Amino acid sequence: AQSVTQLGSHVSVSEGALVLLRCNYSSSVPPYLFWYVQYPNQGLQLLLKYTTGATLVKGINGFEAEFKKSETSFHLTKPSAHMSDAAEYFCAVSVIGSNYKLTFGKGTLLTVNP
Amino acid sequence: NAGVTQTPKFRVLKTGQSMTLLCAQDMNHEYMYWYRQDPGMGLRLIHYSVGEGTTAKGEVPDGYNVSRLKKQNFLLGLESAAPSQTSVYFCASSYKGTDFTGELFFGEGSRLTVL
Repeated sequence: AQSVTQLGSHVSVSEGALVLLRCNYSSSVPPYLFWYVQYPNQGLQLLLKYTTGATLVKGINGFEAEFKKSETSFHLTKPSAHMSDAAEYFCAVSVIGSNYKLTFGKGTLLTVNP
Repeated sequence: NAGVTQTPKFRVLKTGQSMTLLCAQDMNHEYMYWYRQDPGMGLRLIHYSVGEGTTAKGEVPDGYNVSRLKKQNFLLGLESAAPSQTSVYFCASSYKGTDFTGELFFGEGSRLTVL
């Protein structure tokens, strides 16, 4: 079975600083990897995804992530944090043949300080 | 555009009571899912459905039942609620395509408290 581990349940950055949210995965077959964002009192929405092809993927709101097979990682970054980025972020994994079921990490709460 | 709609959004139950959460999607998606979200636990899959009339167990199915009588609706039932089922429940849907996008479309959640 596949799984993801998000390092750090809470990350705090200053506005304008680099955002780095860490995600490591475990899968015995090639994974599909995702980052979802959840704003307060809302459902989750897709931020970006890696399925095949280019390992550096760009998402909405200036976020990007790089799939590194050798490190089993899929870390999320943004060069300059904005106050509106404050939210909870979830890394998720799926594999082909799983009926599109996603296995989510426990989430990382991002706080942006003025 | 409604997307995925969950009802009710809030509910308080007493231990032993029963209730049903309704999820409706208007995107003609084949796949539907029920997740629960608990602090520090992320989202855990309860049950899912790959099409009308079919359901399957997820990671934490005990204490819940589901039905998918119509393609657009996915019901989650609690026959005898327990305090451990206090949680926020999310419904999601996805289309079945030849290109796997992995994008789930989520409802806004249903907050259930069991006293």
